[in-house]
Amino acid sequence: DAKTTQPNSMESNEEEPVHLPCNHSTISGTDYIHWYRQLPSQGPEYVIHGLTSNVNNRMASLAIAEDRKSSTLILHRATLRDAAVYYCILSDRGSTLGRLYFGRGTQLTVWP
Amino acid sequence: NAGVMQNPRHLVRRRGQEARLRCSPMKGHSHVYWYRQLPEEGLKFMVYLQKENIIDESGMPKERFSAEFPKEGPSILRIQQVVRGDSAAYFCASSLGGGQGVQPQHFGDGTRLSIL
Repeated sequence: DAKTTQPNSMESNEEEPVHLPCNHSTISGTDYIHWYRQLPSQGPEYVIHGLTSNVNNRMASLAIAEDRKSSTLILHRATLRDAAVYYCILSDRGSTLGRLYFGRGTQLTVWP
Repeated sequence: NAGVMQNPRHLVRRRGQEARLRCSPMKGHSHVYWYRQLPEEGLKFMVYLQKENIIDESGMPKERFSAEFPKEGPSILRIQQVVRGDSAAYFCASSLGGGQGVQPQHFGDGTRLSIL
């Protein structure tokens, strides 16, 4: 089931940009790339998703490699509130099933 | 707040009792998902339901666990004859559309089940 690879942990200083990488070398043409994050003692929170083109929203940007075998979640200015586990997840747009596979994710630490 | 509501936030049960976890999806959402997070582990999918239908229960333990999403009212995850290994955080999510697709899942803050 594990179709994505992420570093176990990353660190950043407050107000600096953060680039969280994700490798998905076996991605299929119908797979969307989703990012969720989970703050301590809370449920996961949707961050962003994309298919082929880079995407921006109020929370983050998603940069997708041209061959789609990797992607990067970009937090433009990290805050203490961004400290969380970040999950990169592939989902098949043609699937009628609902499961999301949460791997280990990347634990992001933000220093003041 | 129109988010996914789960209750109770914390639930304590003794071995052998029943646990009932409730989930009210976001307004307008008719697709509900349950996940379980064991201590120090990642979230694991359990079941996906639409109103009055179970679509995918491939992650549900075969015994003691059941889920429903009636036409009226919240979705219920029911665990009968609880054991210590059931201690975990149980998260519910809802989405506007079905399947994985492009619809994000919106999660509640979970029910933390402790078995004495």
